[in-house]
Amino acid sequence: TQLLEQSPQFLSIQEGENLTVYCNSSSVFSSLQWYRQEPGEGPVLLVTVVTGGEVKKLKRLTFQFGDARKDSSLHITAAQPGDTGLYLCAGEGETSGSRLTFGEGTQLTVNP
Amino acid sequence: DTGVSQNPRHKITKRGQNVTFRCDPISEHNRLYWYRQTLGQGPEFLTYFQNEAQLEKSRLLSDRFSAERPKGSFSTLEIQRTEQGDSAMYLCASSTLTTLTDTQYFGPGTRLTVL
Repeated sequence: TQLLEQSPQFLSIQEGENLTVYCNSSSVFSSLQWYRQEPGEGPVLLVTVVTGGEVKKLKRLTFQFGDARKDSSLHITAAQPGDTGLYLCAGEGETSGSRLTFGEGTQLTVNP
Repeated sequence: DTGVSQNPRHKITKRGQNVTFRCDPISEHNRLYWYRQTLGQGPEFLTYFQNEAQLEKSRLLSDRFSAERPKGSFSTLEIQRTEQGDSAMYLCASSTLTTLTDTQYFGPGTRLTVL
């Protein structure tokens, strides 16, 4: 069974601070996707990373895929209250077909 | 709006009743997935279709659950004889496989409450 561990589970910071969310596994993934979810809504795709060592930037968000494709990180620079939400990483396994394995999520709160 | 749509958005039912949810994927996507998400957890895979064929089912999908995608477009998920433990958000996602990845786009979900 593939597992993805996300940390931290909860994060409460002040506006303007930087933060990093981690997603780790002992399994190799063919791709990894990051989503953001608001209460009562479905996850919204932020990025997909495919290549080991890949770095993608989306405005103040920087995503990195580990060289061995077993882990990933999301770094947010100068967080804003609008960044508040549940951040989920999800891996597409090399041997699990198309199913996504999700981490438990990181609940981020950015206080004004 | 050309995203994934789900209906109803909310469903409250009594234990023992049957419920059916509908998902309309992004029109050009041939893959459709169902996930279940309980409070404080990430989504868990239930089943997926490629066109009208159901290719994979999770062990989470008990005999009371059945999913169909009869014409390879919309899909329905039915839960028979609902139990309180079925209360969750049911999410649908769709994708189209590229050479590199199978990025899935999610709908807004159906929140089921079993009383």
